Amino acid sequence: GQNIDQPTEMTATEGAIVQINCTYQTSGFNGLFWYQQHAGEAPTFLSYNVLDGLEEKGRFSSFLSRSKGYSYLLLKELQMKDSASYLCAVRDVGDSSYKLIFGSGTRLLVRP
Amino acid sequence: DSGVTQTPKHLITATGQRVTLRCSPRSGDLSVYWYQQSLDQGLQFLIQYYNGEERAKGNILERFSAQQFPDLHSELNLSSLELGDSALYFCASSVSRDKTGNTIYFGEGSWLTVV
Repeated sequence: GQNIDQPTEMTATEGAIVQINCTYQTSGFNGLFWYQQHAGEAPTFLSYNVLDGLEEKGRFSSFLSRSKGYSYLLLKELQMKDSASYLCAVRDVGDSSYKLIFGSGTRLLVRP
Repeated sequence: DSGVTQTPKHLITATGQRVTLRCSPRSGDLSVYWYQQSLDQGLQFLIQYYNGEERAKGNILERFSAQQFPDLHSELNLSSLELGDSALYFCASSVSRDKTGNTIYFGEGSWLTVV
């Protein structure tokens, strides 16, 4: 089966750092993605990890541990515009097909 | 702008009716995905096509069907609509079916309201 867990909501202060965790269980694994989604808008790609370790991209970093089925998204120097939902998605390999399966998302509220 | 185009952007229809949602993938992308997102819910994978063929199926109801045409655009058909089908339907595309690291880009979505 497939299971992706993220916290439902998080709150942080402008200028601070926040870490959003994601744990997953899938029958196969071919990469983990993070997307940002503002309410009523399309998800936009943030990062991709397929090997263990940290990927840094400006204010955003993403970490993966395949043995633990764990990832996190780190957002630094938070800005008000970072208030959005953050979606963890795993590319699940099975039955000769690749599906991108999403968690329910973490709603982040950035306060002044 | 992701390059994925969806029409219509908004649609209101009555229960029992049938609608068709259309998606044009990014230029050069062969894979098309459909997702459903109900209010305050996560993205539910419906179905994936690659170069005209169905490649993966998710939680898609029997009342729903999709296809990908030779020009690579795709349509999602929703029939016998129920109130619970009201949702935001996203189309996404990627270059290939399964290349590692292949990013999936989303369209702006089609808002469906069933009354």
